[in-house]
Amino acid sequence: AQSVTQLGSHVSVSEGALVLLRCNYSSSVPPYLFWYVQYPNQGLQLLLKYTSAATLVKGINGFEAEFKKSETSFHLTKPSAHMSDAAEYFCAVSVFGNEKLTFGTGTRLTIIP
Amino acid sequence: ETGVTQTPRHLVMGMTNKKSLKCEQHLGHNAMYWYKQSAKKPLELMFVYSLEERVENNSVPSRFSPECPNSSHLFLHLHTLQPEDSALYLCASSQNWGGGSYGYTFGSGTRLTVV
Repeated sequence: AQSVTQLGSHVSVSEGALVLLRCNYSSSVPPYLFWYVQYPNQGLQLLLKYTSAATLVKGINGFEAEFKKSETSFHLTKPSAHMSDAAEYFCAVSVFGNEKLTFGTGTRLTIIP
Repeated sequence: ETGVTQTPRHLVMGMTNKKSLKCEQHLGHNAMYWYKQSAKKPLELMFVYSLEERVENNSVPSRFSPECPNSSHLFLHLHTLQPEDSALYLCASSQNWGGGSYGYTFGSGTRLTVV
């Protein structure tokens, strides 16, 4: 079965600094990988997804993630943090033939003014 | 109108009440899901419906009863809940049950408080 591990349940960065949220996956077959964002008392919103095309995936709000098979990683980055990026971020994995998304435990991102 | 709509957004109920959460999707998706999100706990998948048939039930207590009358609507009927059932309940939908590249579309959730 596939799984994801998000390193760091809380990450704080200064406004304007680089955002790096880490996600490592485990899957015996090629995975599909997702990042979702959740603002307080809201549902999860898809930021971006990797589905075996380009390894560098660009998403909404200036975020991007790179699929690295050798490192089994799919880290989320943004060059310059904005106050509005404060939220919880979830990494998720699925595989062909199994629609069930397996979510990580989430990383809460705090932006320091 | 967003793709997945959940009502109500907030619900306070007593332990002896009966209430229902509603989810509606306007995306033409064939699979729908209920998740429970409690503070400081991972997302918990509760139920999965595909083409109106329940395909997964993850050991959820019987005080939670799902219903999927058609592929656009999903309900979660609640009765005799416990305070620990207070949480954000999220509904999601996906294109199909069995094709993993599409991901899910989530509703905004119902914040449930059991008093």
